[in-house]
Amino acid sequence: DAKTTQPPSMDCAEGRAANLPCNHSTISGNEYVYWYRQIHSQGPQYIIHGLKNNETNEMASLIITEDRKSSTLILPHATLRDTAVYYCIVRVPIYNTDKLIFGTGTRLQVFP
Amino acid sequence: EPEVTQTPSHQVTQMGQEVILRCVPISNHLYFYWYRQILGQKVEFLVSFYNNEISEKSEIFDDQFSVERPDGSNFTLKIRSTKLEDSAMYFCASSRDRDYNEQFFGPGTRLTVL
Repeated sequence: DAKTTQPPSMDCAEGRAANLPCNHSTISGNEYVYWYRQIHSQGPQYIIHGLKNNETNEMASLIITEDRKSSTLILPHATLRDTAVYYCIVRVPIYNTDKLIFGTGTRLQVFP
Repeated sequence: EPEVTQTPSHQVTQMGQEVILRCVPISNHLYFYWYRQILGQKVEFLVSFYNNEISEKSEIFDDQFSVERPDGSNFTLKIRSTKLEDSAMYFCASSRDRDYNEQFFGPGTRLTVL
């Protein structure tokens, strides 16, 4: 699986959009970009995933650059409950492996 | 909303003892996983399980570890002879299929080995 690079920490004011970047310059054509988050010591929580088109769901939007070398997770209106560690993971869902390889992620602190 | 559950939430054991961590995956899911997270470190994959057999395991998952689906609902992780370095949060996860669907994680079991 391709390696990802994320900033170690970010701050965001409550109510503002949180934009979390991820660099995955070695991503291959069949690898998807997944985002999970971990609030305190809880189990990781799936947020969103995509291949090359931008994706949106009730939690967030995922913007993937045209060359697919980077992506941005957008939380449109961050709340205090969005304070968490956010993980960007690239993986090929098939090809006999379905494990998630977590990096160190970005620690997002939402402040009042 | 369906969720993965794990018991116990906290397990304290003596070094060398056997422990069994229990998980109830989401009912229509077919793929099951165990991950662990040592305090302050990354979440690490241990093992994946499908159709009553291990489909993949990491180098952490040595002979001291085993998994089992003893009935239609439970999924267990057994550590035969615990070591101090086994102290960690253990997360169970499940997914409906392995291809594109997300893995749903349980709340974790904190294992403390004394």
